Amino acid sequence: GNSVTQMEGPVTLSEEAFLTINCTYTATGYPSLFWYVQYPGEGLQLLLKATKADDKGSNKGFEATYRKETTSFHLEKGSVQVSDSAVYFCALGGSNYKLTFGKGTLLTVNP
Amino acid sequence: DADVTQTPRNRITKTGKRIMLECSQTKGHDRMYWYRQDPGLGLRLIYYSFDVKDINKGEISDGYSVSRQAQAKFSLSLESAIPNQTALYFCATSDFGTSATDTQYFGPGTRLTVL
Repeated sequence: GNSVTQMEGPVTLSEEAFLTINCTYTATGYPSLFWYVQYPGEGLQLLLKATKADDKGSNKGFEATYRKETTSFHLEKGSVQVSDSAVYFCALGGSNYKLTFGKGTLLTVNP
Repeated sequence: DADVTQTPRNRITKTGKRIMLECSQTKGHDRMYWYRQDPGLGLRLIYYSFDVKDINKGEISDGYSVSRQAQAKFSLSLESAIPNQTALYFCATSDFGTSATDTQYFGPGTRLTVL
């Protein structure tokens, strides 16, 4: 079956530091890949997505590239801000349109 | 106004009580989902519905039931609540037949505590 493994946290960075959160997956077929973000006290919201190999999703300075050869979809941001502090979830969308989530990575950015 | 709303936002109840969590959406989406979130476990799918007449079990449906009263409403019930059902519950929706079919939109969550 489908599964997602993402980097365990928590991750603590200083403002303007470079961020990478690793995500790898196993799946049959050709899934879509997502990063969702959950700010404190809120529900999840879509950060970015990629629907096929070599696609790059980007939003709010975050990027992730769908790498079929390494089954990965790592999240990166060149310069994090305090407002980026949140829990980040990698997710996989299969042919049945259900999402499989990773366990989440808590990011804390200090001023 | 929020597109996906959940009521109540917080609930404390006792073991053995019946509880209903409600979800409403104004996005006009056909598909609706219920998840629970536990620390360190991510989100796990409880039930999902692709239209009013279609209800499906997710990976952790035992102890839960659902009702799809209308396209816009999807309720989750705990028939006899137990402490290990203490969690954060999320409702989500997705559209069908568009390029964003597999993108889900989440409500703000209901924090349920079972004593």
